[in-house]
Amino acid sequence: DQQVKQNSPSLSVQEGRISILNCDYTNSMFDYFLWYKKYPAEGPTFLISISSIKDKNEDGRFTVFLNKSAKHLSLHIVPSQPGDSAVYFCAASEGNTPLVFGKGTRLSVIA
Amino acid sequence: NAGVTQTPKFRVLKTGQSMTLLCAQDMNHEYMYWYRQDPGMGLRLIHYSVGEGTTAKGEVPDGYNVSRLKKQNFLLGLESAAPSQTSVYFCASSRLWTASEAFFGQGTRLTVV
Repeated sequence: DQQVKQNSPSLSVQEGRISILNCDYTNSMFDYFLWYKKYPAEGPTFLISISSIKDKNEDGRFTVFLNKSAKHLSLHIVPSQPGDSAVYFCAASEGNTPLVFGKGTRLSVIA
Repeated sequence: NAGVTQTPKFRVLKTGQSMTLLCAQDMNHEYMYWYRQDPGMGLRLIHYSVGEGTTAKGEVPDGYNVSRLKKQNFLLGLESAAPSQTSVYFCASSRLWTASEAFFGQGTRLTVV
């Protein structure tokens, strides 16, 4: 039973436009959410996070939105750049438990 | 500043062989993790450790053993490799459970034939 779901395996966006990556979760006890970015042949790297007490967190071009009632979070990248092309993983945790990851969404930013 | 280093980066094993993957971190992190990544499956937790001398099972622990004899090292062992263990393995470490992000190594690509 998948607790963190990324239903879009891939997404293509034109350079300069907004990229929106979505993530849904089933465990209402999750209290911390993170996004990781992964390039081929490299390990995932942390991108941005949000606590369940917030509904938005912004870091430069990256913004994460959390809708607890819908158990949904999204990552917005504005403007998208070719270097943003990567696989993005959504992850969540509940208290003192390890992160649970989604299956990932492959973002392609087309110049 | 090496961060998290995994050894080896690539390995081909025959079914039934054994091997140990080594993970070393230089950030003095308490928590360490082993994940595997398979196509279409995301990252799944194999085992983790909350401190030196401790280990715990994750989501997919069968066929693997781990040890954390030193705080900076976390070893993943395969006693009798199976083709189903063909995967990319990632080690990660973190200072705290969730208040800080996890830092990942570059991965070990293992093929079992």
